[in-house]
Amino acid sequence: QVQLVQSGGEVKKPGTSVRVSCKGSGYEFAKFGISWLRQAPGQGLEWMGWIDPDTGNTNDAQKFKDRVMLATDSATDTVYMEMKNLRSDDTAVYYCARDPSGPLAYWGQGTLVTVSS
Amino acid sequence: DIQMTQSPSSLSASLGDRVTITCRASQNIGHYLGWYRQKPGKAPELLLYGASILLEGVPSRFIGTGSGTDFTLTISSLRPEDFATYYCQQYDNVPRTFGRGTKVDIK
Repeated sequence: QVQLVQSGGEVKKPGTSVRVSCKGSGYEFAKFGISWLRQAPGQGLEWMGWIDPDTGNTNDAQKFKDRVMLATDSATDTVYMEMKNLRSDDTAVYYCARDPSGPLAYWGQGTLVTVSS
Repeated sequence: DIQMTQSPSSLSASLGDRVTITCRASQNIGHYLGWYRQKPGKAPELLLYGASILLEGVPSRFIGTGSGTDFTLTISSLRPEDFATYYCQQYDNVPRTFGRGTKVDIK
């Protein structure tokens, strides 16, 4: 069955960086894009960007263009989201989701990133 | 960016009630709309896509209608697992955008 498994929670200080991984299984990983989204505590869902695991092409939300980098490792069917210069308002659960340029039917379990001094 | 306006932001209902949630897009998105249910502490789960197509395995009490800019999600008879937060999402354009959510709780 299709699964996306994300890395574990992180606690980071303001100004530092975090990298979250998302490993796919149960399908041909290169054939579907992966979107990254986040959800701040008690808030709604915010789309951050998308990566094509086959080509590495990305499409990022304007808000995150300067601070977020998406990358892929085809050898391990894993995509990565790295965010730099973390702020306290980046505290959120970060999700990856399989994105066939359509609805998001498969999601990772979420990774809580806490930014606190 | 396409703005998705979802209402109400919350509602209270009883088991067996029929509830309706609406979602309006700031521009025509055709049928490129999905509805998600999110239970506390869990990732969202897709219920419907293409505005009205049930994902396999999703109960038929979930009914989606609409096209263009105006959409609705109706739950015909609430079950205990339906007390959750619901989101609409457009996937016509990038960036993907979501409504702000509708929390359905027990009256």
